[in-house]
Amino acid sequence: DAGVIQSPRHEVTEMGQEVTLRCKPISGHDYLFWYRQTMMRGLELLIYFNNNVPIDDSGMPEDRFSAKMPNASFSNLKIQPSEPRDSAVYFCASSTTSGRTKNIQYFGAGTRLSVL
Amino acid sequence: GQQVMQIPQYQHVQEGEDFTTYCNSSTTLSNIQWYKQRPGGHPVFLIQLVKSGEVKKQKRLTFQFGEAKKNSSLHITATQTTDVGTYFCAGPLGAGGTSYGKLTFGQGTILTVHP
Repeated sequence: DAGVIQSPRHEVTEMGQEVTLRCKPISGHDYLFWYRQTMMRGLELLIYFNNNVPIDDSGMPEDRFSAKMPNASFSNLKIQPSEPRDSAVYFCASSTTSGRTKNIQYFGAGTRLSVL
Repeated sequence: GQQVMQIPQYQHVQEGEDFTTYCNSSTTLSNIQWYKQRPGGHPVFLIQLVKSGEVKKQKRLTFQFGEAKKNSSLHITATQTTDVGTYFCAGPLGAGGTSYGKLTFGQGTILTVHP
């Protein structure tokens, strides 16, 4: 398996623009997580899905953030409108609740977002 | 709220020195996991501990899970420059434990190694 795939790897945008981050989880994984990482706040869980259903979005900073998982092989995280304080590295991770790798989270390479 | 705390936040060592990071949970954990993130990289799973008092080794790395299953440690013997990075512990906090998939990560310990 290719692992968790995120795109784009880097995104530079201007304040007020819409940003869409994409994630393809590992095939067969039933959990998908979106994290944000900054020096100040560390690794923060934004939202996670189980079998494509959002379970907990309490980490989403505000209404400007939204995430969807229309099917088992794709999720996106949108920020609209973006603000400079949204600049961070956004990670997607997936895991399975069965088998030898049960509950181990596999992270994508991340998207480094810069909002100017 | 339920938390996973790690200390120290930063550790600078000379190559060849030992390094230890500690992880404490506010609640009993069914298991604890450790991840490593290289500079500019993403967190990568290292190991999972499940049993009370469990000790596991990976070459120069020794992982321990406390008897009460509320604390854990990672010890690196004779650090090398390849050990540089941030080490995170993570545990399944909240009702349901491991069956819910979610992990709560500690804030991480940033290790730098001077050659």
